[in-house]
Amino acid sequence: GENVEQHPSTLSVQEGDSAVIKCTYSDSASNYFPWYKQELGKRPQLIIDIRSNVGEKKDQRIAVTLNKTAKHFSLHITETQPEDSAVYFCAASPRADKLIFGTGTRLQVFP
Amino acid sequence: KAGVTQTPRYLIKTRGQQVTLSCSPISGHRSVSWYQQTPGQGLQFLFEYFSETQRNKGNFPGRFSGRQFSNSRSEMNVSTLELGDSALYLCASSLGLAPRSSYEQYFGPGTRLTVT
Repeated sequence: GENVEQHPSTLSVQEGDSAVIKCTYSDSASNYFPWYKQELGKRPQLIIDIRSNVGEKKDQRIAVTLNKTAKHFSLHITETQPEDSAVYFCAASPRADKLIFGTGTRLQVFP
Repeated sequence: KAGVTQTPRYLIKTRGQQVTLSCSPISGHRSVSWYQQTPGQGLQFLFEYFSETQRNKGNFPGRFSGRQFSNSRSEMNVSTLELGDSALYLCASSLGLAPRSSYEQYFGPGTRLTVT
């Protein structure tokens, strides 16, 4: 079936360090991979996305990489700050009208 | 432009009861998706409505149903509530239906349902 695995489920880093969250998808037809950030008590918000024809995308301190052969994609946050603390969800789109979410990673950045 | 709104924000029900949750999408958005969020399970897709028609459905029992009105507002209904239905129910609206890469989803604040 279609599923997205996300690791780790929790991640603690020191302020200024980097954080990496990895996701693996099962359906090779997936062609769109968004990442959402959900701060405590708030709604998920799109922070970055990548399409299958691109291997890497950056936006300031965040970047996403995609390895279609291995069917995995990762979120990289550099120079982490306390305000990066949140739950991050990856997702994959196995067909045009569908989006499958990972189980989330709780990131804690300690000052 | 107002964001996605959901009512009520909090709800406490007892087992066996039924509940109706409401979602108002961003003005102009025609697609509304519903998700169940529980700790450890992430965001589980329930269903999606577009132009008053259910276009996609997740793997949830028939107790979970929904509908969309002509103004794109959507309601979700859960009948015969079970303890395991306790969760945050999020709706998300987007301008169109497909492909997902063309239409960003905007989430509402959610309705936290507690079943006792």
